[in-house]
Amino acid sequence: DTGVSQNPRHKITKRGQNVTFRCDPISEHNRLYWYRQTLGQGPEFLTYFQNEAQLEKSRLLSDRFSAERPKGSFSTLEIQRTEQGDSAMYLCASSRSLSGANVLTFGAGSRLTVL
Amino acid sequence: AQTVTQSQPEMSVQEAETVTLSCTYDTSESDYYLFWYKQPPSRQMILVIRQEAYKQQNATENRFSVNFQKAAKSFSLKISDSQLGDAAMYFCAYRSARAGNNRKLIWGLGTSLAVNP
Repeated sequence: DTGVSQNPRHKITKRGQNVTFRCDPISEHNRLYWYRQTLGQGPEFLTYFQNEAQLEKSRLLSDRFSAERPKGSFSTLEIQRTEQGDSAMYLCASSRSLSGANVLTFGAGSRLTVL
Repeated sequence: AQTVTQSQPEMSVQEAETVTLSCTYDTSESDYYLFWYKQPPSRQMILVIRQEAYKQQNATENRFSVNFQKAAKSFSLKISDSQLGDAAMYFCAYRSARAGNNRKLIWGLGTSLAVNP
């Protein structure tokens, strides 16, 4: 297992288009998180899954954003009708619920540029 | 609501010297976890060190150690014998230990550390 994998690493799209990012967590991790990070800022929480259940969703996540984790393994984050303000790095992280400190392992991120 | 503050946007240190990055937080909870994450220019976030609030002993990981002052709500990171590879953005983060669905990390804005040869 090589860690948390995110694809694509970089996506350039025109405003109004839909984009989808994929995250493959560490195989034995049952928790999966999506964060958004803009330049010069810390990560902002978007949503969290335990297995296939989406347990928390930030108010930052507008109706244009949807995340799924259908089989409790990989997850997708879709952004519909992209806006320039959606340009950011989208980070995925995973963890095991047995760990009290819930240490997150992050992927390298998917950078979105909306023109 | 919990908040995390990193008051030093940028820091620099000479190679082989020691540097301390500051972090303060605000919470009404008594049980929680604190973390320092490192984000090198490649952008992958890496855990540096963690501290459980119920432990009085400061965590240490090789050249990295923390000064955890629970009453003062302070959690500074000390990097000893700094190396060029330590240059990165460092984020302080907080997580509640309360059971339930609130599993998200609360992050500071980060401190950019430059290591000068």
